[in-house]
Amino acid sequence: EVQLLQSGGGLVQPGGSLRLSCAASGFTTSGHDMMWVRQAPGKGLEWVSVIYGGGHLTNYADSVKGRFTISRDDSTETLSLQMTSLRAEDTAMYFCAKDRYGSNWGQGALVTVSS
Amino acid sequence: DIVMTQSPDSLAVSLGERATITCKSSQTVLYSSNNNNYLAWYQQKPGQPPKLLIYWASTRESGVPDRFTGSGSGTDFTLSISSLQAEDVAVYYCHQYHSPPYTFGQGTKLEIK
Repeated sequence: EVQLLQSGGGLVQPGGSLRLSCAASGFTTSGHDMMWVRQAPGKGLEWVSVIYGGGHLTNYADSVKGRFTISRDDSTETLSLQMTSLRAEDTAMYFCAKDRYGSNWGQGALVTVSS
Repeated sequence: DIVMTQSPDSLAVSLGERATITCKSSQTVLYSSNNNNYLAWYQQKPGQPPKLLIYWASTRESGVPDRFTGSGSGTDFTLSISSLQAEDVAVYYCHQYHSPPYTFGQGTKLEIK
């Protein structure tokens, strides 16, 4: 059974950093595209980043480019999102998902950026 | 960037009736080399992550009831629910995964009339 278990959310001050993790089981992450999607409170879905299967090529939304870094540890089947220079507008529930078409999703991790 | 526009923003349908949501992309999401439309539909209920319903515009995900149907090609797509059930109350999103950034529609809130 495919499962994505997220960890790492929390409250952080503006300008701070936070790392989100997404532990995968039931499949091999290196063989699949993996993405992060976020949802601000009461708002719609916003695509954040992707790391492509078969390698470590990545892509980012303009809103996070240069501040967020997506990575994948093939030895532990863990996807990560390192977030730096956080802003109030980054406050959202962050979801990891398997495949570019979101075949499976993590439960979400709430990131709140506030002083 | 490809802009995804859904209509309507909200929809109220009677139980057992058909619900139809449309999604229009500002550029084609059809990849000509494989003739696949890189378009997915999701259902999201409050407090839950999105759930994949349809991918490649018309392929129903395993376990999704056959009352959910995706259609369309190029820039115009439709999600139809043939006979609305109470458990179908949710927000529905279309999503293009043809060209990064892989953008979502703004969502359509479906309610019971």
